[in-house]
Amino acid sequence: LAKTTQPISMDSYEGQEVNITCSHNNIATNDYITWYQQFPSQGPRFIIQGYKTKVTNEVASLFIPADRKSSTLSLPRVSLSDTAVYYCLVGDRPRDSNYQLIWGAGTKLIIKP
Amino acid sequence: GAVVSQHPSRVICKSGTSVKIECRSLDFQATTMFWYRQFPKKSLMLMATSNEGSKATYEQGVEKDKFLINHASLTLSTLTVTSAHPEDSSFYICSAREVAGNSYEQYFGPGTRLTVT
Repeated sequence: LAKTTQPISMDSYEGQEVNITCSHNNIATNDYITWYQQFPSQGPRFIIQGYKTKVTNEVASLFIPADRKSSTLSLPRVSLSDTAVYYCLVGDRPRDSNYQLIWGAGTKLIIKP
Repeated sequence: GAVVSQHPSRVICKSGTSVKIECRSLDFQATTMFWYRQFPKKSLMLMATSNEGSKATYEQGVEKDKFLINHASLTLSTLTVTSAHPEDSSFYICSAREVAGNSYEQYFGPGTRLTVT
């Protein structure tokens, strides 16, 4: 199972765009990249998922270079409520019924006013 | 989106007693549910994978006789912490994977805070 490496913490300000990069050098061909957000004492919340190139939804964009050894979560115009821990995960054997996610340490993002 | 609930959200019990935590998928069927444990300021750690109608698969180091998992239906899985001790105090989170989904998204419950005194 591929491991991921993220910065432990990041600070930014309201209204800024925040980019969090994740390294996954050992990503396998079948692996997808998924990002989750977690607030204190809450379960993680799915943000975005991708396999290659760029994926965008209503809350974020995910950029994945051609070699797929890293990915960048982009949060446009952050607000104070975006303060949370963000996890990058690489999934193995996604169609396997026992497909599971391996959680790294995550990035604690603090948004300041 | 798909909703997963957990009950209770918070429980305090005495050392030596057992506690049951329920995980329900409210608007979808889940063949697979996962149970995680999260200590303060730490990441989620997978405890076990539960498939409906079969025995759970436990991760290395997780005692299956202490953490009993039952996944009797496509919408309910339970985790029972038997003979709980203070070191079992943690945040327990379940997640569920939809039966028919082609995406690889797991839907997470809100978590259960267990405090053993």
